[in-house]
Amino acid sequence: DSGVTQTPKHLITATGQRVTLRCSPRSGDLSVYWYQQSLDQGLQFLIQYYNGEERAKGNILERFSAQQFPDLHSELNLSSLELGDSALYFCASSHLEAGELFFGEGSRLTVL
Amino acid sequence: AQSVSQHNHHVILSEAASLELGCNYSYGGTVNLFWYVQYPGQHLQLLLKYFSGDPLVKGIKGFEAEFIKSKFSFNLRKPSVQWSDTAEYFCAVTTFSGSARQLTFGSGTQLTVLP
Repeated sequence: DSGVTQTPKHLITATGQRVTLRCSPRSGDLSVYWYQQSLDQGLQFLIQYYNGEERAKGNILERFSAQQFPDLHSELNLSSLELGDSALYFCASSHLEAGELFFGEGSRLTVL
Repeated sequence: AQSVSQHNHHVILSEAASLELGCNYSYGGTVNLFWYVQYPGQHLQLLLKYFSGDPLVKGIKGFEAEFIKSKFSFNLRKPSVQWSDTAEYFCAVTTFSGSARQLTFGSGTQLTVLP
C-alpha cells in the first residue's frame, strides 16, 4: 500500500458526460501528480500541484482540469468525455518536488 | 526539452537469464534518476533511485542500475530474472533548472519472462 488513495477505482460513463476523480496523497506529501495511462499513448503526464499551486502542466486537454485543495487532496475533472478518454488515471504524490513518486491504484475510466 | 528514451519496447527472456534495460536521457545538468515497475494490473512502484553518490545503485528484488554521466544513461540490470519479474519497467528523470523541477518518464519496456 503506497498510502495514496484514489476514488473511484472504476467508472463507466457515456460520451459527453463529466466525471471527477479524487486523490488523497500520502500523509505529509505536498506534491500531487496526475497521469493518464492508455494502451496507445503509454504513461502521459497531465498536471502537477505543489501545496495547492499548479507547478507543471503536461499533455492535459482543455476539457480536463484539476485542483489541489487546502487539505492537499486533489481532484481531476474530465468533461465532454470522448471514447478516447478511456484510460487508467493515476495519481501520485511526493514529499519533495524532485523526490520519488508514490502512486495510487488508479481510476479506470471507461467511456461508452 | 528533456527526453527519456527506453529503446527496448518489449524484451522476452527465459528464467535465469540476465537482464539489462536501457535508459538514456537528454539533459546536461543535475538529474535525479528512477526506475519504476508496474506489475500486471497494478500501480507503479519504485524499484530504485539515484540522487547522488555511488553511481551503482541497488534496489529491491535484486535489481541494480548504474548511472553513467558521460553517456547520459541509467541502465537497469538483474543477473538472473524470474517469472515474477514479468512487468512493465519505466525509467524516469527529474531535471533541475533554477527553481523548476521536471519529471519525465520514458515510454516503458515490457519484460516477459518465460518459465
